Amino acid sequence: DVVMTQSPLSLTVTLGQPASISCRSSQSLVFSDGINYLSWFHQRPGQSPRRLLSQVSRRDSGVPDRFSGSGSGSHFTLEISRVEADDVGIYYCMQGSHWPPWTFGQGTKVQIK
Amino acid sequence: EVQLLQSGGGLVQPGGSLRLSCAASGFTFTSYSMAWIRQAPGKGLEWVAAVDPSGISPRFADSVRGRFTTYRDNSQNTIFLQMNSLRTEDTALYFCARDDYGSADFWGPGTLVTVSS
Repeated sequence: DVVMTQSPLSLTVTLGQPASISCRSSQSLVFSDGINYLSWFHQRPGQSPRRLLSQVSRRDSGVPDRFSGSGSGSHFTLEISRVEADDVGIYYCMQGSHWPPWTFGQGTKVQIK
Repeated sequence: EVQLLQSGGGLVQPGGSLRLSCAASGFTFTSYSMAWIRQAPGKGLEWVAAVDPSGISPRFADSVRGRFTTYRDNSQNTIFLQMNSLRTEDTALYFCARDDYGSADFWGPGTLVTVSS
């Protein structure tokens, strides 16, 4: 199975400042069609995860453009350009290129300073 | 609007069985694979199983293969997770999710399964 490793595991950010989360995979996520099936999810306490980005950088409907994704192969990054209070929670990366199974990173907890 | 309504969780003794349901609406159900993902208390996310649109080829995580099965009733827009020989380590919040090819774009609210004597 592909192992997904996130860093940092915890992040405290000042409101309005940027934040960045790294996600590395144990194998390249470039699928035979050339697409990296790498997604990012945000989970608030007591809620289901919500997908933010798929295929590295495609924002889901309603996701603010403060959220962006980049990377290819085995190294990916989620960036929040200006953190807002609503952004607290846990962020997960997930790969779907080598399935089954889908595998998730350990999660990165984002808090506001 | 895509909706996934889950039911069937609860408390069960080790070795027992439970069946979870996930009723879908707001999209063409037969066009999508569906997945089950779980989250142990205070832990991260673990993919458990998936069922293709026809229901012919379910897939399972190694941790549940041989104990869990998943199937769907396309006439009722519902998927099921039949969990047998439950272990304490199966205690988790179980989510169903729509598979939009390589990712999960919509998630249900989750249903809690507690395996304890």
